[in-house]
Amino acid sequence: DIVMTQTPLSLSVTPGQPASISCKSSQSLLHTNGKTHLYWYLQRPGQPPQLLIYEVSNRFSGVTERFSGSGSGTDFTLKISRVEAEDVGIYYCMQSRQLPRTFGQGTKVEIK
Amino acid sequence: EVQLVESGGGLVQPGGSLRLSCAASGFTFTSLDMNWVRQAPGKGLEWVSSITSTGSNMYYADSVKGRFTISRDNAKNSLYLQMNSLRAEDTALYYCARNGPTSEHEYWGPGTLVTVSS
Repeated sequence: DIVMTQTPLSLSVTPGQPASISCKSSQSLLHTNGKTHLYWYLQRPGQPPQLLIYEVSNRFSGVTERFSGSGSGTDFTLKISRVEAEDVGIYYCMQSRQLPRTFGQGTKVEIK
Repeated sequence: EVQLVESGGGLVQPGGSLRLSCAASGFTFTSLDMNWVRQAPGKGLEWVSSITSTGSNMYYADSVKGRFTISRDNAKNSLYLQMNSLRAEDTALYYCARNGPTSEHEYWGPGTLVTVSS
C-alpha cells in the first residue's frame, strides 16, 4: 500500500497569513496516463470531507483561489494564501494512483 | 444539487450484520463510480470499498475483504454496503462518496454511524 505522510499534524495560523501543508507518498503518484493522482480534502468540524484539489493542482468547482496545490512524484504541498476563519478544520491528502486508496493522517488547522 | 444520504447505521453486537444504504440524487447516478469511506471516532479517513458505474467491478480494503459487500441499484439510484461478521474495529462513521468524470470522492454524504459493541 502507498503510505501518505502529512506534516505538520497541526498548524495555528493568524488570520490573513499564509499556511502550507506537506504530503509525501511512499511511491510516485505519477500514472502512465501522465496524470498525478493526488487529492486534497478539507473536513470542517462536524462536517463530511469536501474536495478542494484534484490531480495535484486543479481546484474543484467552487473552491476559492486562496487554495493552491503543487508538487510532483512523491512530494506535494497545499497552500492557503491568506487563512480565514472558515478554513479551520482537518486537511487530508489522498492518493488514487492505486488501490487501496490511502489518506494522510490529517493536518489540523486552527486560527490564532 | 448533488445529494447523498446514508442510512442503516446503528448499534450491533460483534459478529452481527448491518446493511447501509446511500440514496443519491441531483446527478446521473448510472454514470459514476461510487465509494464507501469510514472514519473511526476521533480518527482519520479510511477507504473501504468502491464500485464501478455499472456495478461490474468492486474493490475492497483488506480490512473488510470477505466480510463486506458493496452493491448498487441503478434503477433506484442507491448504493449499498452489506457488512457481516462485524468487529469492534468496524465502529465508525460511514460515508458514501461520489466520483466524478475526472476526479474521485467529489461529493460526500453526511455519514451514518455504525457502532459494534456488546
